[in-house]
Amino acid sequence: QKEVEQNSGPLSAPEGAIASLNCTYSDRGSQSFFWYRQYSGKSPELIMFIYSNGDKEDGRFTAQLNKASQYVSLLIRDSQPSDSATYLCAVEDNDMRFGAGTRLTVKP
Amino acid sequence: DTAVSQTPKYLVTQMGNDKSIKCEQNLGHDTMYWYKQDSKKFLKIMFSYNNKELIINETVPNRFSPKSPDKAHLNLHINSLELGDSAVYFCASSQFSDHYGYTFGSGTRLTVV
Repeated sequence: QKEVEQNSGPLSAPEGAIASLNCTYSDRGSQSFFWYRQYSGKSPELIMFIYSNGDKEDGRFTAQLNKASQYVSLLIRDSQPSDSATYLCAVEDNDMRFGAGTRLTVKP
Repeated sequence: DTAVSQTPKYLVTQMGNDKSIKCEQNLGHDTMYWYKQDSKKFLKIMFSYNNKELIINETVPNRFSPKSPDKAHLNLHINSLELGDSAVYFCASSQFSDHYGYTFGSGTRLTVV
């Protein structure tokens, strides 16, 4: 069974801090990695994807991928209360497999 | 608006009933999916359809059946509903070869009483 593991949290960060979310995956052959944000009662929303080892930045978000360690992370700089949500790590093979999500709360 | 749309948004029904959830996408994607999100918020894939062909069928009870009249629509039929079927069901779509991620519908909250 191909698995995607995340710390369910909750993770708390003060406003303006860097929030760090982590994810590991079991299938060494996986090539495509995604981070989704899901607000309570809403649908998952894609925020980043990454395919290559290293960092990928988009605004306040940075995705980091280390295929050797089978590890994906998401950094959120200058965290805002509006970033409070559940963040879902996903790995795509023939379909998208999701982790259980990490709930982030950013406190003013 | 370009989107993935699902109907109904809420569905409350009694055990043993048969119900359907409809999904439509106007993004021009060639693959559509159904996911189930349980009370612990874990998203699990149920089905996917690529160009009207079923390409994945997870260990889902055969009471659940996807129906795709064309590549823009993927409906979910559920027979003999059980209490454990209560969950939020999300439809999603993607362009299979692009690997740019999925676009999700707004979800259908199914409650079986």
